[in-house]
Amino acid sequence: KQEVTQIPAALSVPEGENLVLNCSFTDSAIYNLQWFRQDPGKGLTSLLLIQSSQREQTSGRLNASLDKSSGRSTLYIAASQPGDSATYLCAAEGEKLTFGTGTRLTIIP
Amino acid sequence: GAVVSQHPSWVICKSGTSVKIECRSLDFQATTMFWYRQFPKQSLMLMATSNEGSKATYEQGVEKDKFLINHASLTLSTLTVTSAHPEDSSFYICSARAPPDTQYFGPGTRLTVL
Repeated sequence: KQEVTQIPAALSVPEGENLVLNCSFTDSAIYNLQWFRQDPGKGLTSLLLIQSSQREQTSGRLNASLDKSSGRSTLYIAASQPGDSATYLCAAEGEKLTFGTGTRLTIIP
Repeated sequence: GAVVSQHPSWVICKSGTSVKIECRSLDFQATTMFWYRQFPKQSLMLMATSNEGSKATYEQGVEKDKFLINHASLTLSTLTVTSAHPEDSSFYICSARAPPDTQYFGPGTRLTVL
């Protein structure tokens, strides 16, 4: 059974700093790894999807990497802004999409 | 990108009543849709996989007689919470799989059972 863990559970950083969110998964037999953003009381916004054959994906200030062999993915956010404050979820897709526990990010103006 | 809608966005009902939640893929056809639930400050848990024209596949621990899923067309799946109780209060999110193999998520439905 796939288990996905995200560390830290919560993170507060001053505006402008670069930061890294971590995601680990137990079963490396995945098709892809996705990162989502969820604002309070809202649905999911897809940020980046990394296919199993890829190592990383970039979109604007976001960069996600994938290391299947070690069961890890990271989401790098450059030059953080208050609008980046949200919960970030990673999800590993194998037989089904398994979500991590989330990291609640607060950017301090 | 592909758009998935849910209706209603929030609903309050009395204990013992049934509530239906709709999930629609607006600009693509989805043979497979998924239903998730999310408790406060927790992650999303897959409840069931809905396949058009066939019975839904439920995850272990999810009561299929309580959470009725119907996927009658390629653009609509419904989740009916029967005889709802306060412990069923949660955030329900659906997703639809679009070709070639990407899931698009709906905005979620907040259910509160009094």
